[in-house]
Amino acid sequence: GAGVSQSPRYKVAKRGQDVALRCDPISGHVSLFWYQQALGQGPEFLTYFQNEAQLDKSGLPSDRFFAERPEGSVSTLKIQRTQQEDSAVYLCASSSTGTANTGELFFGEGSRLTVL
Amino acid sequence: GENVEQHPSTLSVQEGDSAVIKCTYSDSASNYFPWYKQELGKGPQLIIDIRSNVGEKKDQRIAVTLNKTAKHFSLHITETQPEDSAVYFCAATQGGSWGKLQFGAGTQVVVTP
Repeated sequence: GAGVSQSPRYKVAKRGQDVALRCDPISGHVSLFWYQQALGQGPEFLTYFQNEAQLDKSGLPSDRFFAERPEGSVSTLKIQRTQQEDSAVYLCASSSTGTANTGELFFGEGSRLTVL
Repeated sequence: GENVEQHPSTLSVQEGDSAVIKCTYSDSASNYFPWYKQELGKGPQLIIDIRSNVGEKKDQRIAVTLNKTAKHFSLHITETQPEDSAVYFCAATQGGSWGKLQFGAGTQVVVTP
């Protein structure tokens, strides 16, 4: 497909479990972002990659959250020891441009995480 | 911290009427202001954006205005259609960092035939 692909679309985890969410950006896109969207709210920035470099992780809520993009393409957001407040939709977005340039962010459909 | 406020939270309009959504921001370094449309179960989709060196931009039935002095920007949809029903988000760059967006809380727009 031509768009940003995220998997799984839905994930139910028991409190304390680890989860991994995957993002396949649009081919060739340099920049990749993770956002967290709580129910009824706007997305909130988590972290940003330019190629394989994580340039900004200031939005990660705690050290239980970890993101990587080792080859500058696919990215994984990992949440360790999940808690109920982690329940949200996790959105991935990519863009063809890098920092200092303004370009459109293309969002995926998100991964909905429910922590019981 | 820096934030973006969006009003109204819900907006009901008759088909053919206009819809206006307003946002204010606090970060004076913000220089890029996109608007997104989000349908149920989908990711946000960019519908229009404006940069800080422009006061107004129009694309068919959609227009956006920006007042940097007052730190507010607005979305205008004319001749609304049922397919315009969705949640709309305004956003502004944080600290001038492109891509690091601060979103408003969203406006649920319902267009009734």
